Amino acid sequence: IAGITQAPTSQILAAGRRMTLRCTQDMRHNAMYWYRQDLGLGLRLIHYSNTAGTTGKGEVPDGYSVSRANTDDFPLTLASAVPSQTSVYFCASSETSGGADTQYFGPGTRLTVL
Amino acid sequence: GQNIDQPTEMTATEGAIVQINCTYQTSGFNGLFWYQQHAGEAPTFLSYNVLDGLEEKGRFSSFLSRSKGYSYLLLKELQMKDSASYLCAALSNDYKLSFGAGTTVTVRA
Repeated sequence: IAGITQAPTSQILAAGRRMTLRCTQDMRHNAMYWYRQDLGLGLRLIHYSNTAGTTGKGEVPDGYSVSRANTDDFPLTLASAVPSQTSVYFCASSETSGGADTQYFGPGTRLTVL
Repeated sequence: GQNIDQPTEMTATEGAIVQINCTYQTSGFNGLFWYQQHAGEAPTFLSYNVLDGLEEKGRFSSFLSRSKGYSYLLLKELQMKDSASYLCAALSNDYKLSFGAGTTVTVRA
């Protein structure tokens, strides 16, 4: 069982380019999340999905979009990357969204926007 | 808004005890999580407290005081492998986590 996988592991991207970060979980969890982690700021929620077919905005959603076509996949898209989106991106999942279920994190994607 | 405060760095000697404090202010409260994150890796779950008091799990214990908006993580019998960042996260009314910036613990021989 892999848990949560993310791709790519790292990426250097030119400003203005479009980029999709992939996230897949095999735990059949209903809820999935995207965070960014920046030095001194901790993890901040970008978008979330309580269940397949639904998405919601987190604390820092601007410049990002997500989709949840099925239970397993939750891609994050940067439509036109900017240098301030340089960060480490973590995908996470939990069994449900309405309780205190533990969130399990993927290995992260290190993104640099030049 | 959410406000989670924890110290930036702590250093301790192998075999010692370290206590990482966390204070929180959130829109409602549904519990407090602690995660461990080694450099370059994903956060991993350590503990969850929703009631006041101490929860002990091996060498790690976590304490919560809801009335004071305060928690701490206690690491006993420190080992070199405990060198990591420790993240405090409060679960708000809408069941979303708000994370502190993390406390980097360095264990010296």
